[in-house]
Amino acid sequence: EVQLLESGGGLVQPGGSLRLSCAASGFTFSNYAMSWVRQAPGKGLEWVSAIGGSGGSTFYADSVRGRFTISRDNSKNTLYLQMNSLRSEDTAVYYCAKGYGDNPRVYDCWGQGTLVTVSS
Amino acid sequence: EIVLTQSPGTLSLSPGERATLSCRASQSLSSTYLAWYQQKPGQAPRLLIYGASSRATGIPDRFSGSGSGTDFTLTISRLEPEDFAVYYCQQYGTSPRTFGQGTKLEIK
Repeated sequence: EVQLLESGGGLVQPGGSLRLSCAASGFTFSNYAMSWVRQAPGKGLEWVSAIGGSGGSTFYADSVRGRFTISRDNSKNTLYLQMNSLRSEDTAVYYCAKGYGDNPRVYDCWGQGTLVTVSS
Repeated sequence: EIVLTQSPGTLSLSPGERATLSCRASQSLSSTYLAWYQQKPGQAPRLLIYGASSRATGIPDRFSGSGSGTDFTLTISRLEPEDFAVYYCQQYGTSPRTFGQGTKLEIK
């Protein structure tokens, strides 16, 4: 069974940092692009960042470029999101999501999400 | 950035009825790079449709997608009680990939 389990969320002050992790199981992790998608409380979905299967290609939304860094450790089947210079507008549930085979920008499996709250 | 506008914002129907949800793009999409997701309260989204009309693995055939260019539709032929949820469209042909604001399908 394909599973994604996020961790690392919590309360952080504006300007602070946080690192999210997503542990993957049930599939050959290195074969799939992965993404982070977030959802502010009561709002819709916003794509944040993506990374290719080998980790050589990374992509970011304009809203986080220069502040967030996506990475992966294929030996540990784990995806990461390093978040720096956090702002109140970054408050959201952060989901990791698996690319769907030949359609890496479509997501067929999502984690349960981890809540990041940026507040003083 | 391509903006996706979903309509209606809320759709009130009864089980057994047919649901038609719309997603309109601010510019024509590359090929048919349009997906639909379902999200229930407290849960992660679930992929329903990709490539505008292809059902994802395990999705019942009462769900169907259609459209091209700027206008896309998700149709649920006969609503089941478990279909009442929020539905999002997503375009993935142009960076950044973007989502619509969602349509809430509620029980009438």
